[in-house]
Amino acid sequence: GAGVSQSPRYKVAKRGQDVALRCDPISGHVSLFWYQQALGQGPEFLTYFQNEAQLDKSGLPSDRFFAERPEGSVSTLKIQRTQQEDSAVYLCASRPGGGANEQYFGPGTRLTVT
Amino acid sequence: GQNIDQPTEMTATEGAIVQINCTYQTSGFNGLFWYQQHAGEAPTFLSYNVLDGLEEKGRFSSFLSRSKGYSYLLLKELQMKDSASYLCAVKVTGGGNKLTFGTGTQLKVEL
Repeated sequence: GAGVSQSPRYKVAKRGQDVALRCDPISGHVSLFWYQQALGQGPEFLTYFQNEAQLDKSGLPSDRFFAERPEGSVSTLKIQRTQQEDSAVYLCASRPGGGANEQYFGPGTRLTVT
Repeated sequence: GQNIDQPTEMTATEGAIVQINCTYQTSGFNGLFWYQQHAGEAPTFLSYNVLDGLEEKGRFSSFLSRSKGYSYLLLKELQMKDSASYLCAVKVTGGGNKLTFGTGTQLKVEL
């Protein structure tokens, strides 16, 4: 079946612009995660949803970052007033419910802030 | 917090065996994952260990020692396509299911 998809794959924004990044998880997956990956680094946790509930947003770096998953499926990560330090790859992952441990990652959105 | 260490780079020869180590310091360990990530692509799941011992899956094996805070990923019969970054990640109790990743080990397989 289809994996996790993300759009756009690449986004260039001018400093100060708002951006919205979309994640389509695997159908039926209960949990959804957002990670930020800087060049040459491992992914860093941003936020986590179980269905439509945002259970953990401890990794969001500032109040300019906002995520939602209103119907428990598609999620959007919004970054307001982008800064150069926001340039990174934003990865989305989903996980089935129950006792499954594996997270399935999407290809990411590469954000470049100029 | 959590601290995860793994070598930055490794080089190995096609057909050989390579071991990628990962050490971690966490409060409330609840599982360790290995992911493979080719440049510009999504991380893909390789293995999960929560109990001590060796888990074997084809050419890939993963080992865990909880008392030592240590894991390794063993890749056998290396192929050129194994050139990628290998990410070690831990899950902690009380942390939901979020993963804390190391910086990744960039493996280069040469002829």
